[in-house]
This record gives sequence, C-alpha cells and structure tokens, in this order.
Amino acid sequence: QKEVEQNSGPLSVPEGAIASLNCTYSDRGSQSFFWYRQYSGKSPELIMSIYSNGDKEDGRFTAQLNKASQYVSLLIRDSQPSDSATYLCAVSANTDKLIFGTGTRLQVFP
Amino acid sequence: GAVVSQHPSRVICKSGTSVKIECRSLDFQATTMFWYRQFPKQSLMLMATSNEGSKATYEQGVEKDKFLINHASLTLSTLTVTSAHPEDSSFYICSARGTGNGQFFGPGTRLTVL
Repeated sequence: QKEVEQNSGPLSVPEGAIASLNCTYSDRGSQSFFWYRQYSGKSPELIMSIYSNGDKEDGRFTAQLNKASQYVSLLIRDSQPSDSATYLCAVSANTDKLIFGTGTRLQVFP
Repeated sequence: GAVVSQHPSRVICKSGTSVKIECRSLDFQATTMFWYRQFPKQSLMLMATSNEGSKATYEQGVEKDKFLINHASLTLSTLTVTSAHPEDSSFYICSARGTGNGQFFGPGTRLTVL
C-alpha cells in the first residue's frame, strides 16, 4: 500500500468551476499536510499547509483535513486555466521528511 | 521569503563525468536541505537529507558514493553526481525547510547524460 495516494487524473473541470482534489495517507502518526502545485517542467510550489482537522481557506484555495479518515483534500474555487497543473499532496509525521503522492493532474478548460 | 535557488538549471554532460549542483537558501538559514529526483511523469523521490555540518542521510537504494552531498554552510548544499551515466538523467530538485514544516523547493536542475 502506498503511503500517500492520489488519483492521477486528469481531472478536467470547466473554467469557473470548483476543482476537488483528494489524497489519502496510511500513517496515522502524520501531523503535517501540504499541497504543492507543479507546472510541467518546473519544481513544486507550496500552496497550502494544514495541521489540524477542519478547513483552512486561503484565497480561492481551501484545504480540508480529516485525520480520523486519513484524508486531506484541496478545493479550488473559480478554477482558471492557469490552475492547470499537477497537484502534489505531501505528508509529514513530525519529522523533516515529506512523503509525496504521485500527484493529480488538473486540466481547466475555457 | 523562503527563496531557494539552484544552479545550474540545466546541464548536459558526457557519460563518466561528474556534475555538481548547488542549492542555496537566499533569505533564510537552512540547517536541513533535501535532495529529490523526479523522472518524467513520476512523483518526487527523496534521495537524501542534507544536514549542515554533518553527514547526509541517504534513502534506501540511493548510492552515497555516487551522489555526494556536502552541506558546508547554513545556506548552501551541493549534490555531486559522480561518474554520471545516461540512467542518471533526471530532474534534480533541492528543498529547504522554512518556518513550520513546509519545504520550499529550488527551481530544479535538469541533467542529461549522453
């Protein structure tokens, strides 16, 4: 079983819609959760971090964490074509190391 | 804040040569930096954790004698790919831990070994 799992996609949504990206993890000791955006040929960019259960909002992005279900998600409101990228979920169990999922490719079409 | 630079951004070399990649934290001190490798259409694979002033910690399956890591200061870590071969061609990315537990990534180095 993979430690951090994501659907590889592609997830296709129309411009202006809400994109919902999901991630599950296997280590119940995980304490820190991150979403990174990676454009093709570029390095990952940190867009959200979340540490406690519930929702965390930052602009058009909302991260949701449910530790009991070992589930973390990212919602992107008013999706734009420029949001088209691969979104990586990363999890840390109170160590320096991050465990990455394989990423979900998001396509936002006009 | 939390800017990480990498140099070079792209390198092409002949098989058997060694390549050094530099990773710098520009606006903060990083006692710990990380080196990743990413093959096309795959996720990031952690190669090693670089600790300032001490030996790097390598992940299972990563040859420490082939991938030499030096973290001589709080703002600089280097990765040297020794005797590179075509199968070492990949996208090498470093990161540094900022405030909290988030890591900030450098722009990456694309290595092509002919």
